[in-house]
Amino acid sequence: ETGVTQTPRHLVMGMTNKKSLKCEQHLGHNAMYWYKQSAKKPLELMFVYSLEERVENNSVPSRFSPECPNSSHLFLHLHTLQPEDSALYLCASSQEGFGGKLFFGSGTQLSVL
Amino acid sequence: AQKVTQAQTEISVVEKEDVTLDCVYETRDTTYYLFWYKQPPSGELVFLIRRNSFDEQNEISGRYSWNFQKSTSSFNFTITASQVVDSAVYFCALSEPLRGANNLFFGTGTRLTVIP
Repeated sequence: ETGVTQTPRHLVMGMTNKKSLKCEQHLGHNAMYWYKQSAKKPLELMFVYSLEERVENNSVPSRFSPECPNSSHLFLHLHTLQPEDSALYLCASSQEGFGGKLFFGSGTQLSVL
Repeated sequence: AQKVTQAQTEISVVEKEDVTLDCVYETRDTTYYLFWYKQPPSGELVFLIRRNSFDEQNEISGRYSWNFQKSTSSFNFTITASQVVDSAVYFCALSEPLRGANNLFFGTGTRLTVIP
């Protein structure tokens, strides 16, 4: 079993749909992250939770809504997305604080039609 | 502000050739961490190495080696005797502290293709 698991692997949704991405980590880490990876752009940090408290929200549009019910699970709720939101969404976790290694899942490839 | 530059967008080499991936970073912090990650076609970023700003000793791990030079703000990655399995996108990243967590600023990545 991999350390960080993301579901679904692929998602196609219309602009009026509501969907959620799920991330689960089995590493006992206390911080979890959402990153967005678009073509030809650096990975962008979207949200960070440390000890289940949100510590960073990088000016992400409100159509993206994170939820961290416990230290092992992280969700990204999506509604009324735009085509430019199509990207690979990566979840990560870490334990060590500053300088700690991030462990990534395989991502959800999202296409918004 | 933190910034990471990977000037090489794509590199192709023939198997068994050596290849160096460049990484230049900018930061005003005196304490920081640098990372290299590998992203194979499966999508998952795989951790390769971490180096803190006080440790300039170069490191070798099998066919991989890293050259950290604070004087030029560079953290280059060399693969010796490349193999087809090395084909992937490689990312360099710089850390920023974040209240119990760790924000990584990534470069745009270098896509390495190793031709058999």
